[in-house]
Amino acid sequence: SQQGEEDPQALSIQEGENATMNCSYKTSINNLQWYRQNSGRGLVHLILIRSNEREKHSGRLRVTLDTSKKSSSLLITASRAADTASYFCATATSGGSNYKLTFGKGTLLTVNP
Amino acid sequence: GAGVSQSPSNKVTEKGKDVELRCDPISGHTALYWYRQSLGQGLEFLIYFQGNSAPDKSGLPSDRFSAERTGGSVSTLTIQRTQQEDSAVYLCASSLARGYSGNTIYFGEGSWLTVV
Repeated sequence: SQQGEEDPQALSIQEGENATMNCSYKTSINNLQWYRQNSGRGLVHLILIRSNEREKHSGRLRVTLDTSKKSSSLLITASRAADTASYFCATATSGGSNYKLTFGKGTLLTVNP
Repeated sequence: GAGVSQSPSNKVTEKGKDVELRCDPISGHTALYWYRQSLGQGLEFLIYFQGNSAPDKSGLPSDRFSAERTGGSVSTLTIQRTQQEDSAVYLCASSLARGYSGNTIYFGEGSWLTVV
């Protein structure tokens, strides 16, 4: 089963608007990361938030984390057509000697010019 | 190299044939990961290598799948007797150490496998 589940599955907005994507997860995490994927190829790391952090900013990106609700949100402000891509959250599970980064199915964001 | 390099970028093979997919991680990265992504889906964890430790193979879907990492650098993912359900993009990634410590994981562009 998926550890991370993004919501919505697809989002279409106009250029200049803000885009908000949500991610829910099931088990305790060490950190949560957001990635972007263009055209089904390689993923690009956007931002990492640790379990003891509540909010993080990077340029036009704002990520929040609520560990009590096991959820995170990614906000892209002043969106551009170039932001069109799939966005995935990924959780790093706590404990154990091996590491596993578990991805959700992603949100497909379309920014219309 | 500058980034994670994967080859081939595209592979079409006949059902029942074996395929090998190669990953060249970023120089100096001790951690290497393989993921699989089917069309329109999220990434499915396959296997993880960290230094000289025993790899975490818990994500390999069947015994037709195997992977090795020679000399702590290049990795090869082998799929034997390919089936149509093996068609997917196979993504390799590397990082300096365990990702949960906060190190960024860098992905390659993937190898798109089509089994006909």
